[in-house]
Amino acid sequence: GEDVEQSLFLSVREGDSSVINCTYTDSSSTYLYWYKQEPGAGLQLLTYIFSNMDMKQDQRLTVLLNKKDKHLSLRIADTQTGDSAIYFCADMDSNYQLIWGAGTKLIIKP
Amino acid sequence: EAGVAQSPRYKIIEKRQSVAFWCNPISGHATLYWYQQILGQGPKLLIQFQNNGVVDDSQLPKDRFSAERLKGVDSTLKIQPAKLEDSAVYLCASSHLLELRPKGEQFFGPGTRLTVL
Repeated sequence: GEDVEQSLFLSVREGDSSVINCTYTDSSSTYLYWYKQEPGAGLQLLTYIFSNMDMKQDQRLTVLLNKKDKHLSLRIADTQTGDSAIYFCADMDSNYQLIWGAGTKLIIKP
Repeated sequence: EAGVAQSPRYKIIEKRQSVAFWCNPISGHATLYWYQQILGQGPKLLIQFQNNGVVDDSQLPKDRFSAERLKGVDSTLKIQPAKLEDSAVYLCASSHLLELRPKGEQFFGPGTRLTVL
């Protein structure tokens, strides 16, 4: 089946930019998503990108998509302590179901 | 707008016991999902309902897991008997099919953390 992979941890200093990377295998992917999971809370959609787009910007968030290499990234500018969470990359397959990565835990150093 | 509600939030049982989880989706959302999330992994879809019909239950261990969505609203997920490897967070999510594209947003509840001893 299709797969989505992410690195498990990312540590950045407060105020720096965070870049979380994701690779996927689904050649027919149409939408890709970034979800955020904070401790004790449910998953929350952060942003999404359609596969015919290369970039999407939303305030501090920038999503880059390289469809040729099947690589997706999420950049968080001016990372704050409130950004500490686990970030999941997800790919919508042809059955409208989400294929999830294992999540990247973002650790903020003061 | 109220979010997806789940109960209980935490449950500790011994292996071979049974347990049930409840989910109340966002009003008007036709699609309901149950996921299992094991520590350190992404969510794994167990079952997807469209109104009160099952769309996909291919990854549901049917020898021990069952789920129903009577009247197309609330849903329950049951495990009987539980095994140690069932320890996980069980997430319920809902979406409105008409809004599935382009945003594809699924709205998640806080989850039920199950510990099987």
